[in-house]
Amino acid sequence: GDSVTQTEGQVALSEEDFLTIHCNYSASGYPALFWYVQYPGEGPQFLFRASRDKEKGSSRGFEATYNKEATSFHLQKASVQESDSAVYYCALSDTDKVVFGTGTRLQVSP
Amino acid sequence: NAGVIQTPRHKVTGKGQEATLWCEPISGHSAVFWYRQTIVQGLEFLTYFRNQAPIDDSGMPKERFSAQMPNQSHSTLKIQSTQPQDSAVYLCASSRDRGNTLYFGAGTRLSVL
Repeated sequence: GDSVTQTEGQVALSEEDFLTIHCNYSASGYPALFWYVQYPGEGPQFLFRASRDKEKGSSRGFEATYNKEATSFHLQKASVQESDSAVYYCALSDTDKVVFGTGTRLQVSP
Repeated sequence: NAGVIQTPRHKVTGKGQEATLWCEPISGHSAVFWYRQTIVQGLEFLTYFRNQAPIDDSGMPKERFSAQMPNQSHSTLKIQSTQPQDSAVYLCASSRDRGNTLYFGAGTRLSVL
């Protein structure tokens, strides 16, 4: 079945550091790819999506580019802030069902 | 737009009791999804409905879990004979289109003592 792999379980950075969270997927079809962010006590929030190879999704300074050849959708941000501390989920949707990765907890120190 | 509303926010049950969780999707959204979230398993898909019809319940534990969507404004997840391992945050999400951007509620934290 379809799956999403996030290799980093936790990432610890200082403010203004560059962020990369890796996401690789496995799907039989041509899925849409998503990033969601979850803050404590809340449900995951949609961050952005991409549906085609080489398409870039972005929101709030975060971005990721759909790479069909590498089956990747890595999340990046040039300069993180303490308020970015949260759990980030990569997800895919190939049919109707949405499959999530295991999440990456980002902790940003001032 | 009030977003997806889940009630109650917290529910405590004794082992063997029944728990019913409620979800009100965003008005106009055609699909409703249920997920379970734990530290160990992360976000687990349970089931989903499209236009009130059950489409995929492959993630539902078969014996004690059931979900319904009697009308377009609410869905319920019922857990019979709750067990401590059912303790989790249960998340409901709705989606407007087949592109499946999900909008989540805040979740119901179920604690089974």
